[in-house]
This record gives sequence, structure tokens and C-alpha cells, in this order.
Amino acid sequence: GESVGLHLPTLSVQEGDNSIINCAYSNSASDYFIWYKQESGKGPQFIIDIRSNMDKRQGQRVTVLLNKTVKHLSLQIAATQPGDSAVYFCAENQNTGNQFYFGTGTSLTVIP
Amino acid sequence: DSGVTQTPKHLITATGQRVTLRCSPRSGDLSVYWYQQSLDQGLQFLIQYYNGEERAKGNILERFSAQQFPDLHSELNLSSLELGDSALYFCASSTSGSYEQFFGPGTRLTVL
Repeated sequence: GESVGLHLPTLSVQEGDNSIINCAYSNSASDYFIWYKQESGKGPQFIIDIRSNMDKRQGQRVTVLLNKTVKHLSLQIAATQPGDSAVYFCAENQNTGNQFYFGTGTSLTVIP
Repeated sequence: DSGVTQTPKHLITATGQRVTLRCSPRSGDLSVYWYQQSLDQGLQFLIQYYNGEERAKGNILERFSAQQFPDLHSELNLSSLELGDSALYFCASSTSGSYEQFFGPGTRLTVL
């Protein structure tokens, strides 16, 4: 029978290549954004955050870019490794305290 | 390991029943959040407690309720369960003044 579920965007990359995961957020008033990584069978794990007064923030092997004009976030992972295989979520804080709204996620598969 | 614990890991029950999910936040974290992650809805914020008081409410059904106790652990009560309540339920905690939420491993609820 046909399975019904959330159809996650998927991205497959070769080990060692760079990955770019995109996210469109909904509220122009959102002032804080987080990228989370969720491995199979585990809870989401914080990767990197960015405030709305910034365009770019770098971490270890990861960079987040924020384009407020088009309400777009991206997560760049350098030299992608098999351990990076997971679902990646962006989350936006709509300036309403600590309440975050999560995107639908992107499933990243790294091919050894 | 995020430091957030959730019990039980798995729960199987029947429609119409009531269950209680338990969460212990990281040591020192005053805020607790509950999320539901289902196949067709993604990760949905349900409710937040801060130091025993309800702080924010998201897409939480009237059949669901939560509380945070003086020792800061939290319980999510789900009653009159329906098949559609089958999902992963995550608890997260954060420290005062920080947006970063640390997620527990989740409770997988299956309603038969």
C-alpha cells in the first residue's frame, strides 16, 4: 500500500564534498535561528545559531548564512563525513520568548 | 548525551487510554519544553514550563496536559488517546537567558 508521511527533502553527497542545506522561514519578525541535527533514533542536537542582526556565522566545519530579504537560511557543511548523515532542521524564534518553530527538515546522506 | 532524560523510551497502549511521559531536565535548567514529532507533522512545539509555571503554549490538544514539579522534572499527560497520537515525544530544557535547547532521547508512543 501507499505510505503516507512527511516527504523530507533529501540531499546525497560524496564524502569529502561540501553540503548546503536550505531552509525558508516564515516570519520576517523572527530574530533568532538555530540549526539542529537529528540522527536516527535520537533527539535533535544543536549545531549552530545566528541572530537576525548577522548575515553569517561560522563554527567548526559549519557555516550558517542568513538572508533576511528573502527569509532564507542555509547551512553549509565543509568536508562532509559519514557521521554527518542525519536530518537537519532549521528553527526560528518568532520573537515570542523561547518558543521555536521548526522547519520540515532535510535528510542528508553521505556516500562513502 | 544531552543531560536530559526521558522515560519510558517506548510506550504501547490502546485507543482511549491515558499515559504519562516523564522528563528530567539538565541540572540547573529551569525551562522545560515538550515537542511532538510525527510522520506527517514534523516537530511541533507543545508547551513550555519555566520554574513550575506555564510559559508558552503551542499546538497542544485539550486532551494533553503537562506540569513541572518543584524538583523541575516535568510530566506530559496524554488522555483519550487516538491512533493519530502515535508519535515521538521529545522533552528539551534550557538555562535562563539562553535560547539553546537540549533535547532528550524521546519517548516513542504507539497507540493501537
